[in-house]
Amino acid sequence: QSALTQPPSASASPGQSVTISCTGTSSDVGGYNYVSWYQQNPGKAPKLMIFDVSYRPSGVSNRFSGSKSGNTASLTVSGLQAEDEADYYCSSYAGSNNFVFGTGTKVTVL
Amino acid sequence: QVQLVQSGSELKKPGASVKVSCKASGYSFTTYGINWVRQAPGQGLEWMGWINTKTGNPTYAQGFTGRFVFSLDTSVSTAYLQISTLKAEDTAVYYCAREKNYIQPDHWGQGTLVTVSS
Repeated sequence: QSALTQPPSASASPGQSVTISCTGTSSDVGGYNYVSWYQQNPGKAPKLMIFDVSYRPSGVSNRFSGSKSGNTASLTVSGLQAEDEADYYCSSYAGSNNFVFGTGTKVTVL
Repeated sequence: QVQLVQSGSELKKPGASVKVSCKASGYSFTTYGINWVRQAPGQGLEWMGWINTKTGNPTYAQGFTGRFVFSLDTSVSTAYLQISTLKAEDTAVYYCAREKNYIQPDHWGQGTLVTVSS
């Protein structure tokens, strides 16, 4: 199972929006509505931000939203804040008890 | 609240074995599976597999068969990752994470750094 493809980096100014793409195949992202997104700060464990493509866990800001079209999922962070600067990873169920993470994207707040 | 607490950092020599523990609390342990995720220094997240806590049945991702073993002790709500014949390239932070649904991790342990060095 190959890792999902994410851009290595993304950036935007405070208050703007940033969108991160996550490209897989019809065997993972395109085949199931079980895409999740994680935020990871340096030296910390990942934190679930989005599950099942577009659902936010309790306590996650509504500035974070997820979507999917075909084999590509996206995470949008709107109203960007300094605290949003982190690494972000997508992931997807891949059938038959398999799962795959994305390559990761470093988000910089300019 | 849901918590996963992992055992502390380990320094091992090549060829040795290590066993990492992950103690769950705040929920019914056998209701949700446990994932294991590796993160090598400066690298991304890599899914190692997961274990069904109801049945004890493990699933290993490609590249994590043979030297890697997932196990459980449901009496103490604890999952274990054992790695044998350690190599330098096994140096990484290992995370356990509860499965929300369809393997998607939701709650994560704090991570355990395993360093393999002679």
